[in-house]
Amino acid sequence: GENVEQHPSTLSVQEGDSAVIKCTYSDSASNYFPWYKQELGKGPQLIIDIRSNVGEKKDQRIAVTLNKTAKHFSLHITETQPEDSAVYFCAASIVEAAGNKLTFGGGTRVLVKP
Amino acid sequence: NAGVTQTPKFRVLKTGQSMTLLCAQDMNHEYMYWYRQDPGMGLRLIHYSVGEGTTAKGEVPDGYNVSRLKKQNFLLGLESAAPSQTSVYFCASSYAGEAFFGQGTRLTVV
Repeated sequence: GENVEQHPSTLSVQEGDSAVIKCTYSDSASNYFPWYKQELGKGPQLIIDIRSNVGEKKDQRIAVTLNKTAKHFSLHITETQPEDSAVYFCAASIVEAAGNKLTFGGGTRVLVKP
Repeated sequence: NAGVTQTPKFRVLKTGQSMTLLCAQDMNHEYMYWYRQDPGMGLRLIHYSVGEGTTAKGEVPDGYNVSRLKKQNFLLGLESAAPSQTSVYFCASSYAGEAFFGQGTRLTVV
C-alpha cells in the first residue's frame, strides 16, 4: 500500500518568513495530493490540493509543488502569520469515481513566532 | 450546514467495555471513513465504506467493527476496549477528492 513520509515534524519560523514542508510517497499510481491544516481540538481541514496532471498550484500565500518523477510534493507558506500556527498533514491517494482513501504523513507542527 | 458530525465528543471506557461511535454526514457522499490519530503518527485508516451496505478494512482494523446501514451514517464499534485504543477518532466523508472531517472523538480506555 501507499506510504507517505513527511518532514520536518516540527517547524518554528519568525512571522513574515516562509515555511516549507516536504512529503514523499511510494505508490506511483497515486494521483491526488491534499494538504490539511489541523488546529487544536478540531478536525483536519483542506487548505490546498494538487492532482498529478499539475506541477504547481497557488492560492494566495499557499503553494504546493509536485514532482511525480521523484514522488515528492511540498507545501510552501509565504509571509507567515501567527494564525498559520497549526499542525499540517500531507496525504496521497488514488481518486476513484466516488471517493478516495487518503494515506497521511505524520504531520508537521508549525509555530509562527510574532 | 452541519457537514460531518460525530458523537460523542469525549468518552472514558474501562478495559473490556464496548461502545459505538456515530458519524453522520449530510453531503450525500458515497465514501465514508474512520481514522484514528495518535501523537506523531498522523491519521491512520481503520475502516471505510464505498457506499450504503458496504464496509472494508483499512490500515489498522483489528479490534474495531463498522456498519453502514444508511448512506448518511457510519458507525464504529469497539466490542472489548483495550488501552491501546486510547486515541482521537475522526470520521470523514468524500466525493472524488476532498475529504471532510468531523470534529473528532477523544476516547480514553483505562
